[in-house]
Amino acid sequence: SAVISQKPSRDICQRGTSLTIQCQVDSQVTMMFWYRQQPGQSLTLIATANQGSEATYESGFVIDKFPISRPNLTFSTLTVSNMSPEDSSIYLCSVEGQGSGSYGYTFGSGTRLTVV
Amino acid sequence: QKEVEQNSGPLSVPEGAIASLNCTYSDRGSQSFFWYRQYSGKSPELIMSIYSNGDKEDGRFTAQLNKASQYVSLLIRDSQPSDSATYLCAVTLTGGGNKLTFGTGTQLKVEL
Repeated sequence: SAVISQKPSRDICQRGTSLTIQCQVDSQVTMMFWYRQQPGQSLTLIATANQGSEATYESGFVIDKFPISRPNLTFSTLTVSNMSPEDSSIYLCSVEGQGSGSYGYTFGSGTRLTVV
Repeated sequence: QKEVEQNSGPLSVPEGAIASLNCTYSDRGSQSFFWYRQYSGKSPELIMSIYSNGDKEDGRFTAQLNKASQYVSLLIRDSQPSDSATYLCAVTLTGGGNKLTFGTGTQLKVEL
């Protein structure tokens, strides 16, 4: 199964600043997905990142707020821009792959962001 | 109506019992269904995927899919305290490609 390295694992940031989250996959993948998990909530898809094209954003998420880069088939970044306390969440990247005997989607370890 | 619905729980079962977790979805055209386990402070782990009506077994876990009734369930046999976690149901929606839509999760507590 694909192994995803995500960093940073956590950060505390001042409002108005930006944070860039990185995900590195140990194999080439076509699509990478970025999710947000707000405290006590389930996962919400932010955008899908394809190599060589603009990311596709879900309703409620915009490129100016969450710019994404996908320079190659193993790497992607998500930036949370001009942060406010409402951006405090866990951010996760995900790729398709094999996991525990089933084919599905595996997740990075997550970035726990606190905005103060 | 939410696209994917789960009871939030907590669902409490004694050790050794069968835990039954349920999920309903609104999109009749959904084709792929997944169960994830998420421990507190950790990222989701894939337990099982299921695509066809019926049962799929993997160790102590059995996923059940009924497309006519639009529900998918997860049975955990011989529940262990280590199974205590939040279980997330995820579905791919018609026209959504490979994107997953998650339910809000059911918290399972396995008691000694």
